[in-house]
Amino acid sequence: EVQLVESGGAVVQPGGSLRLSCAASGFTFDDYTMHWVRQAPGKGLEWVSLITWDGGSTYYADSVKGRFTISRDNSKNSLYLQMNTLRTEDSALYYCAKERHQYFDYWGQGTLVTVSS
Amino acid sequence: EIVMTQSPATLSVSPGERATLSCRASQSVSSNLAWYQQKPGQAPRLLISGASTRATGIPARFSGSGSGTEFTLTISSLQSEDFAVYYCQQYNTWPPGTFGQGTRLDIK
Repeated sequence: EVQLVESGGAVVQPGGSLRLSCAASGFTFDDYTMHWVRQAPGKGLEWVSLITWDGGSTYYADSVKGRFTISRDNSKNSLYLQMNTLRTEDSALYYCAKERHQYFDYWGQGTLVTVSS
Repeated sequence: EIVMTQSPATLSVSPGERATLSCRASQSVSSNLAWYQQKPGQAPRLLISGASTRATGIPARFSGSGSGTEFTLTISSLQSEDFAVYYCQQYNTWPPGTFGQGTRLDIK
């Protein structure tokens, strides 16, 4: 059974930093591109970032480019999102998602990030 | 960036009736379109990929159609567990795979 479990969400002040983690199991992690997708309270889904199976390529939404860094550790079946210079508009539930042919076949339950003074 | 527009924003339908949800792309996405269901407090769940292929375990009452810029998700006979928010996502131009704003399916 595929499982994706996010952690690391917290309340942080504007300008602060946070590192999110996603622990994957039930599939061969290093075969797949992985993503972060976020959802602000009461809003829709926004793609944030992706990393290819070997970490060789990464992409970011314009809204987070230069502030967020995605990474992975295939030896630990884990995905990460380092979030710096956080803004109030970054407040959201952050989902880890597994890619299959450029759509998302499995999602975690999300971890909540609140940016507030 | 391709813009995905879903309509209506909210759809009220009685259990047992048919629901038809629409998704329009600002330019052609071929058949590279997915549909997701999200229930309150839950993560999105993949329903349909390739515009019309049901994901594993998805009941046959869910069907997708369309290509190019116009797509439809049809739920043939609504069950109580189908009331949720539905999102479409194009993945023809990648990244990013842009999402529609969602359609809320409510009980009438």
